[in-house]
Amino acid sequence: EADIYQTPRYLVIGTGKKITLECSQTMGHDKMYWYQQDPGMELHLIHYSYGVNSTEKGDLSSESTVSRIRTEHFPLTLESARPSHTSQYLCASSVRTGGLETQYFGPGTRLLVL
Amino acid sequence: SQKIEQNSEALNIQEGKTATLTCNYTNYSPAYLQWYRQDPGRGPVFLLLIRENEKEKRKERLKVTFDTTLKQSLFHITASQPADSATYLCALDWGKAAGNKLTFGGGTRVLVKP
Repeated sequence: EADIYQTPRYLVIGTGKKITLECSQTMGHDKMYWYQQDPGMELHLIHYSYGVNSTEKGDLSSESTVSRIRTEHFPLTLESARPSHTSQYLCASSVRTGGLETQYFGPGTRLLVL
Repeated sequence: SQKIEQNSEALNIQEGKTATLTCNYTNYSPAYLQWYRQDPGRGPVFLLLIRENEKEKRKERLKVTFDTTLKQSLFHITASQPADSATYLCALDWGKAAGNKLTFGGGTRVLVKP
């Protein structure tokens, strides 16, 4: 099991609320990622970070924002949740070993916006 | 744009048989190709990585092939067991120059029947 944690695991919230999805890893990895995944569908990269104070938007446009103030922490924020934000959000971190890089995923947060 | 195709239909297979999954992609060949396993409600778990100059990679009962001419990777589970039931995702890894970002396929669900 990878040491990467996400909270909450499940969240049901009303439209217009501000939410923050937490992601923490204790492996000291510099690179971290946020993916969005609808049931039975591909993972889509929405944000990534190569280290503290580094954040980039991913391939899928998202209304969410991220921050990376500490190496181990990469929270994702939605300022005003909408039903279209309903999805599963997966956080990952990666490390380069012997020239190869693989990603370690958290358990995900299932978000339902009513 | 790059497309990755995995069979969206579930693969039902008898215990003890070999399951073979395909991953086809268009346009450019990636530096690496990775395979992950995802169980319901969980994040993906890394299984195997194969380089573009490698034809085959094995790990226990798993075997992966990579044919850059056909733009295809095959993933084999030999002597399958009910515990192998899960969704298997292939991911194109664009290498260090692209920040090792991954592009995931939609996955193929495997159901191994006892």
